[in-house]
Amino acid sequence: SQTIHQWPATLVQPVGSPLSLECTVEGTSNPNLYWYRQAAGRGLQLLFYSVGIGQISSEVPQNLSASRPQDRQFILSSKKLLLSDSGFYLCAWSVPRGNTDTQYFGPGTRLTVL
Amino acid sequence: QQQVKQSPQSLIVQKGGISIINCAYENTAFDYFPWYQQFPGKGPALLIAIRPDVSEKKEGRFTISFNKSAKQFSLHIMDSQPGDSATYFCAALDTGFQKLVFGTGTRLLVSP
Repeated sequence: SQTIHQWPATLVQPVGSPLSLECTVEGTSNPNLYWYRQAAGRGLQLLFYSVGIGQISSEVPQNLSASRPQDRQFILSSKKLLLSDSGFYLCAWSVPRGNTDTQYFGPGTRLTVL
Repeated sequence: QQQVKQSPQSLIVQKGGISIINCAYENTAFDYFPWYQQFPGKGPALLIAIRPDVSEKKEGRFTISFNKSAKQFSLHIMDSQPGDSATYFCAALDTGFQKLVFGTGTRLLVSP
């Protein structure tokens, strides 16, 4: 069966510090991978998605970046965090099959920027 | 046109009652409609999904009703239980772009 891992689970960082969040998927190959951000009590905002190694599409221009160094690894980074970067970061994966491209979410990382 | 409008924003239902959450869309290229359930501090989990070639899908106490001509779909939770208290998101997939568009979420509280 497929599983998705995210770490760390929680993170408190000062403004201006760097960020690296990691997501890995097990039990599947060549998945589509996604990074979402969810502000407190709000909906899901797609940040980045990737259909393959080194292929990253950005949805929202900002000070975040994403990389996919391996097939089942997706990394979200920032060189300098802003207060507005606080939120709940979710990684998701999917394997497109016809018209049932269901996304499965990881447990999330709670980021607080102080 | 890529939006999915979800209502209500919050909902309080008594135990045993029916919870109804509605979503509407404009993009006729959407062709897969999942619902997700999210508990506080957790990632969203797929609850039930429907394709536009059927008008209704039922799984246990959860039913999706789909109206293709009106471009609307809804989630019905029968015999709502306190354990159903969570935030629910509808979504729509444009398979051409392989991206889900999410509604803004509905916070459901089922009172004992």
